[in-house]
Amino acid sequence: QSVLTQPPSASGTPGQRVTISCSGSSSNIGSNPVNWYQQLPGTAPKLLIYSNNQRPSGVPDRFSGSKSGTSASLAISGLQSEDEADYYCATWDDGLTFGGGTKLTVL
Amino acid sequence: EVQLVESGGDLVQPGGSLRLSCAASGFTFSSFDIHWVRQVTGKGLEWVSTIRTAGDTYYADSVKGRFTISRENAKNSLYLQMDSLRAEDTAVYYCARDGMVGSRPLDYWGQGTLVTVSS
Repeated sequence: QSVLTQPPSASGTPGQRVTISCSGSSSNIGSNPVNWYQQLPGTAPKLLIYSNNQRPSGVPDRFSGSKSGTSASLAISGLQSEDEADYYCATWDDGLTFGGGTKLTVL
Repeated sequence: EVQLVESGGDLVQPGGSLRLSCAASGFTFSSFDIHWVRQVTGKGLEWVSTIRTAGDTYYADSVKGRFTISRENAKNSLYLQMDSLRAEDTAVYYCARDGMVGSRPLDYWGQGTLVTVSS
């Protein structure tokens, strides 16, 4: 059972906007910034968003993050087939803590 | 180009030991905190351990007292000594670099090495 709660699955059609939520508590998300990772099938995770809403170089601006209180969200606009992946939120709370992951399916 | 390459994964019996290595290149290894993260096949990510630049170490409760993280800056290498292994330690183990900014994102990951604990 992860300390950070994510929906196990999400889906959308090409071109749509999809959001993935990450719910925590005052000791983790409420006190620390959130990072998001994308894991394409069969590959290692990749940093997607850091410090709640910052994109590393090379990450398309279709990906955006936000945080409010003890929750965070990842939004993907203009959904593409190559966005089909697992997405994990993460923050620090007595160690690094990951959400359970959300499997995004592009229909 | 930043690269992290794990090695040492293998099949080991319960109660056995294994030492994982992570070879780093393309950056000043000694200036970065490094982490081990594991993933059971088909499951989510689990943080295992962290070593900071000053040598401070941190462990998940699930491995505390059984795993030891270390680094050898002269060799640009990270290690994870795994003792008293259990079936539930079976996973792909990734090493990842800490981005060393406020949110401490893991900005580069290795490809992972598979550890299987089974008799």
